[in-house]
Amino acid sequence: DTAVSQTPKYLVTQMGNDKSIKCEQNLGHDTMYWYKQDSKKFLKIMFSYNNKELIINETVPNRFSPKSPDKAHLNLHINSLELGDSAVYFCASSLTNTIYFGEGSWLTVV
Amino acid sequence: DQQVKQNSPSLSVQEGRISILNCDYTNSMFDYFLWYKKYPAEGPTFLISISSIKDKNEDGRFTVFLNKSAKHLSLHIVPSQPGDSAVYFCAARLSGGTSYGKLTFGQGTILTVHP
Repeated sequence: DTAVSQTPKYLVTQMGNDKSIKCEQNLGHDTMYWYKQDSKKFLKIMFSYNNKELIINETVPNRFSPKSPDKAHLNLHINSLELGDSAVYFCASSLTNTIYFGEGSWLTVV
Repeated sequence: DQQVKQNSPSLSVQEGRISILNCDYTNSMFDYFLWYKKYPAEGPTFLISISSIKDKNEDGRFTVFLNKSAKHLSLHIVPSQPGDSAVYFCAARLSGGTSYGKLTFGQGTILTVHP
């Protein structure tokens, strides 16, 4: 009965590959997010979607493309992966003030 | 430009005593503040929050204090328990507009509670 679930949890891939991380929430929230935790442990927002509409795009390279097929899902596609993309990516959702996070996806680009 | 700062990277406390985690912010447009707790290899878990119109919010062992004039908030945990050992993140939300819902996080404080 996980509220915000994301897959895969761990992903190791080579530079130049294209990969996707999937996210689903069963909380009935209308807003979903992708956050990135970098090597310095800062958590920073990448995107937010409200009812499938892009609300926030925080100057993320266009190799990163979120896709929201419905308001319960927000997937993250990353093209032409680079070494610097290695990080932990957290999906999250909210209805009002509080944002609830998934368990994270550890991406390692080699 | 780090708008939310947690200046103590770590804090060590004995079980049963009070843990006080601090957070400072620079943007006066923040209207809502949250504390999250994070265990290794897990996502941040919401702990407690406070609106900018309040100066205190309490939930069980956790109390958050907000001092708007000083742009400072703190999380008090009393009594501290070994299971509280985790990384604690302070987060702040901007009011209104297209930034609605976006959280700005501090860099986290590692709390260790010793038995």
